[in-house]
Amino acid sequence: GAVVSQHPSWVICKSGTSVKIECRSLDFQATTMFWYRQFPKQSLMLMATSNEGSKATYEQGVEKDKFLINHASLTLSTLTVTSAHPEDSSFYICSAKMWDEQFFGPGTRLTVL
Amino acid sequence: GDSVTQMEGPVTLSEEAFLTINCTYTATGYPSLFWYVQYPGEGLQLLLKATKADDKGSNKGFEATYRKETTSFHLEKGSVQVSDSAVYFCALSYGRTDKLIFGTGTRLQVFP
Repeated sequence: GAVVSQHPSWVICKSGTSVKIECRSLDFQATTMFWYRQFPKQSLMLMATSNEGSKATYEQGVEKDKFLINHASLTLSTLTVTSAHPEDSSFYICSAKMWDEQFFGPGTRLTVL
Repeated sequence: GDSVTQMEGPVTLSEEAFLTINCTYTATGYPSLFWYVQYPGEGLQLLLKATKADDKGSNKGFEATYRKETTSFHLEKGSVQVSDSAVYFCALSYGRTDKLIFGTGTRLQVFP
């Protein structure tokens, strides 16, 4: 139980395009989901907290107009990287909260050419 | 600010060897401490946690003790198996807050 999936697992796009990443809780409902970013050999950094039916809360330094988060249902949150640039290339990880624990997806590798 | 520091990997061990992965933290308050494990191709999974000083978290033969005096939460296992090969992340958070602060992760490779 408590499985979280992400789609796609990897994506390559051209600079200037937008990319959408989905995060789904497969066997539980999550009112709160989180989005993290991980650079090579660095720790996971929380980007934003996504609450179902309301606006996401972004961490300091994260551009909310660039990283659009939509938590449309209790099992789905999406992260859209708008007008992607090579510096947005990274590993994006989501998690979904159930009770007091976060359950993590396997991550999405984004490469912007 | 708050932070978590882990030893760099990879840590390479033979099966049945003793494992220690060091983790130290810097915190302004009294956080809860966590160890997460990530197996290849899977998401991070909570391995164990401790919520206050001197607490010992344990799971699957792994254990870690919350040491306030040394601000440490080292992960140990007496006898590792090949199946323990994974990346291990130390993390902290405060109270009911959801914000997890992670270390950089330590890759463990266990050979038969």
